[in-house]
Order: sequence, then structure tokens, then C-alpha cells
Amino acid sequence: GAVVSQHPSRVICKSGTSVKIECRSLDFQATTMFWYRQFPKQSLMLMATSNEGSKATYEQGVEKDKFLINHASLTLSTLTVTSAHPEDSSFYICSARVGDPGEQYFGPGTRLTVT
Amino acid sequence: GQNIDQPTEMTATEGAIVQINCTYQTSGFNGLFWYQQHAGEAPTFLSYNVLDGLEEKGRFSSFLSRSKGYSYLLLKELQMKDSASYLCAALDSNYQLIWGAGTKLIIKP
Repeated sequence: GAVVSQHPSRVICKSGTSVKIECRSLDFQATTMFWYRQFPKQSLMLMATSNEGSKATYEQGVEKDKFLINHASLTLSTLTVTSAHPEDSSFYICSARVGDPGEQYFGPGTRLTVT
Repeated sequence: GQNIDQPTEMTATEGAIVQINCTYQTSGFNGLFWYQQHAGEAPTFLSYNVLDGLEEKGRFSSFLSRSKGYSYLLLKELQMKDSASYLCAALDSNYQLIWGAGTKLIIKP
């Protein structure tokens, strides 16, 4: 099956710093990549959708200047949380999709803790 | 608006059968997914239905009725490791996934 990796799996940072999370599709080229956030005991919340080489489409309420998404290639997307605050502490999950429609393959997630 | 409804929590006994229901209302429809998510982990794919009927895959089966906007996930011969949240998600006309809040399944010995 298709594999999506995320790095790092866990990160602790201080308030005001920036954190970059990488999402890679290891054995396939992803048409589209998605970034989700999940707070404890809640469902996935889509943050943004990105296609390779174009600007990400952000969901309502998600600050694009705070959550920078770069989708530089068909196998790599990055999410940078800028000037992180404790309320940004969450589980961030990326997924990659092949074709429309297509199954989404999820990365293992990144647990971000902002102190 | 677009909406996915599924029960918040269900409890079942090891070795038994459980059915998790999901109803959806979306702008257009291009299929329905079921995912399993263990606590602290990312979701993993279970099934995809786009045509009416039952799709069987080992102990897990998924059913879809497009006319009723209804799906269910059937888990047979329950094992303790099946304790997880089960997420229902519908693909709308823009090929965006609309997620349910998930059903937490608790398996008791």
C-alpha cells in the first residue's frame, strides 16, 4: 500500500518560535495533499488543501500567514506553524491523495506541544 | 449545509458483531469512506463505497444506500484490538472529504 511519512513525530517548542512539519509520499506521487488538525477527542479538522506548484487553499478560520504550506513537489508538502502559541498545541496530520476521486493516505501525525 | 452524523460512542462484547451507522448530507456525492483511528494515531483506511450495496473485506463490511444517504460499517468477531474510533467521511462534488465526528467503539471482554 501507499505510504506517507511525517517528520517529526513529536515536537516541543517554546511560545513564539516556528516549527516545520514535513509530509512525504514515499512510493507514489500525490495529486493533492491535505493538512488536518485534531484536538483531543475531536474529529479531524481540515486546515488546507494543496496541489503541487500552486498556493494552498485554506479552510475558513485558518490563518494562512500563521500556517504556511509549501507543496514544492508531488511527494513533499511542508506545514510551518509560525510564532507558535500554546493554543496551537495539537495533533497535525497530513494526507496525500492520488487522482479524483481517490483514497487518502494518512501520515502518522505530528504531536506539537507549545510551552 | 453539509453534515455527517454518526453515534458518539458504542460498546460491544469481544466476539460479537457491531454495526456503526452513518448518515450524510453533502453537496454532490462521490463516495463514502470509513477509517479506523486508534488513540494518538492517524486514521487508517478501511473501506470505500460509491455504489449501493455491501462490500465485504474480511471481518469488516461496509454498506451504502445513496438514495437514503446512509452507510454502515459492520464489524464481526470483535477483538479487543478493534477498540478505536471509526470515522465516516463522504466525498462531495468537489472531491473534498466531509468528516463525521467519529464513533468511539469500546470492546469489553
